[in-house]
Amino acid sequence: DGGITQSPKYLFRKEGQNVTLSCEQNLNHDAMYWYRQDPGQGLRLIYYSQIVNDFQKGDIAEGYSVSREKKESFPLTVTSAQKNPTAFYLCATRSPPANEKLFFGSGTQLSVL
Amino acid sequence: RKEVEQDPGPFNVPEGATVAFNCTYSNSASQSFFWYRQDCRKEPKLLMSVYSSGNEDGRFTAQLNRASQYISLLIRDSKLSDSATYLCVVSRSGGSYIPTFGRGTSLIVHP
Repeated sequence: DGGITQSPKYLFRKEGQNVTLSCEQNLNHDAMYWYRQDPGQGLRLIYYSQIVNDFQKGDIAEGYSVSREKKESFPLTVTSAQKNPTAFYLCATRSPPANEKLFFGSGTQLSVL
Repeated sequence: RKEVEQDPGPFNVPEGATVAFNCTYSNSASQSFFWYRQDCRKEPKLLMSVYSSGNEDGRFTAQLNRASQYISLLIRDSKLSDSATYLCVVSRSGGSYIPTFGRGTSLIVHP
């Protein structure tokens, strides 16, 4: 079954702790994105990657880091520098040009203990 | 001015009503336009792409007005199951495809 798998579904972070959110895809898409959604708000872009071994900051990258060592995987680390990490995090891939649709994982709800 | 703006609503309509949402965008070089549907605490799902010529999918019609820089979504014969948040998505120009989301418009369809 083709798709995007995000894990865990729920995650709790203690103050000062780094946590990593997983995003795996088997759609063979080059482009991947991480978004953050706060209640009643739209999605804001954290980081994106157009191809393996390359990624760029989005609008709200401070306090976050990513890697793209494999096409299938784009993990997001929420560092202790992110002072307000409580949010719903969504990973997405984009189908190739001429189609350019976004496909989303089911999201991770991150909360601070 | 935000890059993509939507009226957050909520739009509260009875079953069978026709409802329309607009979304304005600020970057005149934007290239791709979509409507996504998001249920509470779920991932967004593509509802429809928006083309210059307008497009229809059953009860849903989407239109693009490049001159005025807005896109619209019309839902006819609203169903209870249409209750959701509708997100407008616009891609930026400049070589990298970067989808930008509006904050969404909440629709509540009541019996």
